[in-house]
This record gives sequence, C-alpha cells and structure tokens, in this order.
Amino acid sequence: EVQLVQSGREVKKPGESLKISCRISGYRFTSHWIGWVRQRPGQGLEYMGIIFPHDSDVRYSPSFQGQVTISADESSNSVYLQWDGLQASDTAVYYCARHVNYDTSKNPAFDFWGQGTLLLVSS
Amino acid sequence: QSVLTQPPSASGTPGQRVTISCSGDYSNIGNNYVYWYQQFPGTAPKLLIYKNTQRPSGVPDRFSGSKSGTSASLAISGLRSEDEADYYCAAADDSLSGHAVFGGGTQLTVL
Repeated sequence: EVQLVQSGREVKKPGESLKISCRISGYRFTSHWIGWVRQRPGQGLEYMGIIFPHDSDVRYSPSFQGQVTISADESSNSVYLQWDGLQASDTAVYYCARHVNYDTSKNPAFDFWGQGTLLLVSS
Repeated sequence: QSVLTQPPSASGTPGQRVTISCSGDYSNIGNNYVYWYQQFPGTAPKLLIYKNTQRPSGVPDRFSGSKSGTSASLAISGLRSEDEADYYCAAADDSLSGHAVFGGGTQLTVL
C-alpha cells in the first residue's frame, strides 16, 4: 500500500527555521517525483515544487524559488521541505504528493498525497 | 489572484448535472493538459481527472472533463450529496518555466 506520512503540526516564531518531512512507503522511493503543495487557511492550492528522489533533481515554482528548500534522503525514504527564516505568511497546511509515472513531471498529476502538515507561524 | 479562473461557488440538486469551468490562457490551458482535484474539508486533494478527460482508476464515470481552447470544464452528472466538496483545476504554465498552477477552487454545494 502506497503511503505518504508527514510529520506533525508545528508552531514556530517568525525567523525560526524548520524542516518538515514526508516519509514514503509501499513503492520504490526513487521511482516517482514528489511534489509539495501549500494551502493557506481558507485558501486554494499552490504548487511549490517537485523533486526526483533518484538524483535529487529539484524544480521550484518561481514563487517559491529561494523561499524554501526541497530535499530527499534515500536512506530514510523521506522527502523534506525546509525554511531558514519563517514568516507569518508561511502559516499553512503543506502537502507532499506522489507524481504519477505516466505523465511528465511538469504536469500537476499527483495520485497519492500525505495527510498534510499544519504550520503555524506566530510571535 | 490565481492564474486559472474558476467560479468561487456552484450548486445543484441531487441527480442534476453540474459543470465547473476553468479559464486560462494559451500559456497554460491552451498549450497543456488540464487536471481536476476534489478536496473535502480537512483532507488532502484527490485526483479526479488527468490529461483533460482521463479518469484514474476508482473515480466514478459520473465525473468527466473536457477542454476547448483556453478553457476547461468538469462535469458531474447524477449529483450526490457526497459530491459536496471543493474542486480545483490545474495545469502546467509555460510562462512559469513550465511549473504547475492551480485554479482558485470552486466550492460545490448540493442543495
């Protein structure tokens, strides 16, 4: 069974750093791209970027380039999303999602999703 | 302001056919495939339609997608109360280095 299990809720202060995780099981970790999607409270979905765990090829959406770091660790079958200086505007739910292997990585085709990680940034 | 434009809300009665529109331009919908997601409150999105018209395994055939030019639509026939959810369209956008964009979402209410 394919599963993407994300790390738990986080409460942080502005300026702090954070790394959230998405642990993958049920298929070969290196075979699918993994994307990250942001959803601010009461708002829609925003595509952040995507990584290919096989070689850690990362593509960031222009809006998120330089704002976050996406990485992967084959030894832990996990993909990560990291911030070096959180802002209140980063408050959101963050989803990791598996890209399908029957479509090109640029297309937003995600068949399995994590449960979401809620991040609250407040002073 | 989302690159892809959806109506914020839609509604229908059980058994009815409802359509949700998604409007873009040549750099996204006009030149790329369209995808549709369903999201219930507090849960992750679910892929409903890929490559304009294709349904993943397990998605009922009550859900169908279409595309014409720079617009796309999601149709739900035989509307059921359990279809009440938010629906998002998405597509790659060549003006954003090919990265994906989502529509603002449409909240569907089953009356």
